[in-house]
Amino acid sequence: EVQLVESGGGLVQPGGSLRVSCAASGFKFSSNWMSWVRQAPGKGLEWVASITDDGSQKFYVDSVKGRFSISRDNAQNSLSLQMNSLRAEDTAVYYCVRDGIRLSDYWGQGTLVTVSS
Amino acid sequence: EIVLTQSPATLSLSPGERATLSCRASQSVSSYLAWYQHKPGQAPRLLIYDASNRATGIPARFSGSGSGTDFTLTIISLEPEDFAVYYCQQRSDWPITFGQGTRLEIK
Repeated sequence: EVQLVESGGGLVQPGGSLRVSCAASGFKFSSNWMSWVRQAPGKGLEWVASITDDGSQKFYVDSVKGRFSISRDNAQNSLSLQMNSLRAEDTAVYYCVRDGIRLSDYWGQGTLVTVSS
Repeated sequence: EIVLTQSPATLSLSPGERATLSCRASQSVSSYLAWYQHKPGQAPRLLIYDASNRATGIPARFSGSGSGTDFTLTIISLEPEDFAVYYCQQRSDWPITFGQGTRLEIK
């Protein structure tokens, strides 16, 4: 059974940093691209970042470029998102997502990140 | 950036009725469009990929159609568990984008 379990969410002040992680199990982690998708309170889904299966390429939505960094450890079956210079508009539930060919087939339950003073 | 516009924003129907949800892209996405169902407090669920292919375990009452810029998700004979928010997503080009969602509510 595919499982994606996020952790690391919490309350952080504007301008601060936070790292959220995702523990993957039930599939060959090193064979899949992975992504982070977020949902701000009362809003829709927004793609944040993706990383290739070997970690050699990374893609970001413009609003987080230069502030967020996606990474993975295929030996540990884990995905991370380092978030720096956080803003109030980054407040959201962050979902870890397994990607297939042109689709996102498994999603975690999400971890809430709140940016507030 | 490819903008996806979903309509209607809210759809009020009764169980047993047919739901038709629309997603229009600002430029062609070929058939690289997916649909997701999202319920409060749950992980989103993949329903349809490549415009018309049902994902594993998705009931046959869900179907997708379209190509290019106009896409439709159809749910025939709504079940109580189908009331949720539905999103379309394009993966034809970066950045990946989602529509703003259609809320399917019980009438």
